[in-house]
Amino acid sequence: DQQVKQNSPSLSVQEGRISILNCDYTNSMFDYFLWYKKYPAEGPTFLISISSIKDKNEDGRFTVFLNKSAKHLSLHIVPSQPGDSAVYFCAAPWGNQFYFGTGTSLTVIP
Amino acid sequence: DAEITQSPRHKITETGRQVTLACHQTWNHNNMFWYRQDLGHGLRLIHYSYGVQDTNKGEVSDGYSVSRSNTEDLPLTLESAASSQTSVYFCASSQGTAEAFFGQGTRLTVV
Repeated sequence: DQQVKQNSPSLSVQEGRISILNCDYTNSMFDYFLWYKKYPAEGPTFLISISSIKDKNEDGRFTVFLNKSAKHLSLHIVPSQPGDSAVYFCAAPWGNQFYFGTGTSLTVIP
Repeated sequence: DAEITQSPRHKITETGRQVTLACHQTWNHNNMFWYRQDLGHGLRLIHYSYGVQDTNKGEVSDGYSVSRSNTEDLPLTLESAASSQTSVYFCASSQGTAEAFFGQGTRLTVV
């Protein structure tokens, strides 16, 4: 049973515009979330995280929003750049494991 | 700098052969994980370990085994490789539920 879901397999955005990647989860006990970025032929790398005590965390062009009542989080990238083209995974650590979504492939068009 | 390395980066093997993928981390992390990445499935957990001599099955553990004889290494063994095990394999390590650090991946093709 998929506890973390990313329902959009792919997303295309024009350079300079906002990219919004979405993630839903089913376990209301999850209290910490991470976003990973993955380029082809490389391992995933940590991008940004958010704790459930916050509803927003910002790091440069990247902002993650958390809506606990809806069990939903989103990653905003503003402005989007061609170098942001990658697969993005959301993840929730729980019980010393990490539950990953299926990923969203972002393409930023120059 | 601490790191996590996987070897080989690419491997082609025949059906029925035993294959071992290596994972070595210098973070001194207790937790280590093996995932496979397949289109449409994201990262699926194969096996994981919380410390030396500890191993646990993940959601897709059939046909795979691991052993943890020291903190740094968690080799993944395919007992009898099958075409369904053609995939990209990632090893990761973490300390508790802080961020996990991933290796570069091993692309395995079973022919």
